[in-house]
Amino acid sequence: GENVEQHPSTLSVQEGDSAVIKCTYSDSASNYFPWYKQELGKRPQLIIDIRSNVGEKKDQRIAVTLNKTAKHFSLHITETQPEDSAVYFCAASMEDTGFQKLVFGTGTRLLVSP
Amino acid sequence: DAGVIQSPRHEVTEMGQEVTLRCKPISGHNSLFWYRQTMMRGLELLIYFNNNVPIDDSGMPEDRFSAKMPNASFSTLKIQPSEPRDSAVYFCASRLQGSNQPQHFGDGTRLSIL
Repeated sequence: GENVEQHPSTLSVQEGDSAVIKCTYSDSASNYFPWYKQELGKRPQLIIDIRSNVGEKKDQRIAVTLNKTAKHFSLHITETQPEDSAVYFCAASMEDTGFQKLVFGTGTRLLVSP
Repeated sequence: DAGVIQSPRHEVTEMGQEVTLRCKPISGHNSLFWYRQTMMRGLELLIYFNNNVPIDDSGMPEDRFSAKMPNASFSTLKIQPSEPRDSAVYFCASRLQGSNQPQHFGDGTRLSIL
């Protein structure tokens, strides 16, 4: 089955710096890669996702890149703000006939210091 | 849209007791997922349903765990008998299968088994 590894487990940056979180996956059939943000005591919330037919996707300060050959994808947050502090999870899934079975990484705790 | 609704938000009970967690998916969504989140194991998929039918229950840890979806607007996850190692946050998520929509998570149930 699919296995997703995520690094680093913790990341501390100064406000305004960029943050990069990396994930690798094992199943070359996976074609859907979402990123979820989870604040303390809250639900995971989707912040961005990418499908394997594109290599990069941006949404304001957030971007995700995908390298299918190497089977890794990354989350980039620019101009970080204290409210970006949270745990970020990557996930991978093969969407077969629309079914989506997400396998999550172990999470990255991001701390943005003012 | 009320989002995915889970109840109870918190549950504290003694080992050996039966525990029932409840979930109401977003109206119109036809896929429903149950996840367990712990520090040790992260976010794990337990079971998911499509059109009220269980599709994959390979993540259900033991026979003590069971899940049902009697109709499109309600699902339960039951643990009987409960054990201290079942303590975790249990999330329910839903999505519209066949679309490009992501999974939307509920606020979770924090379960403590004493």
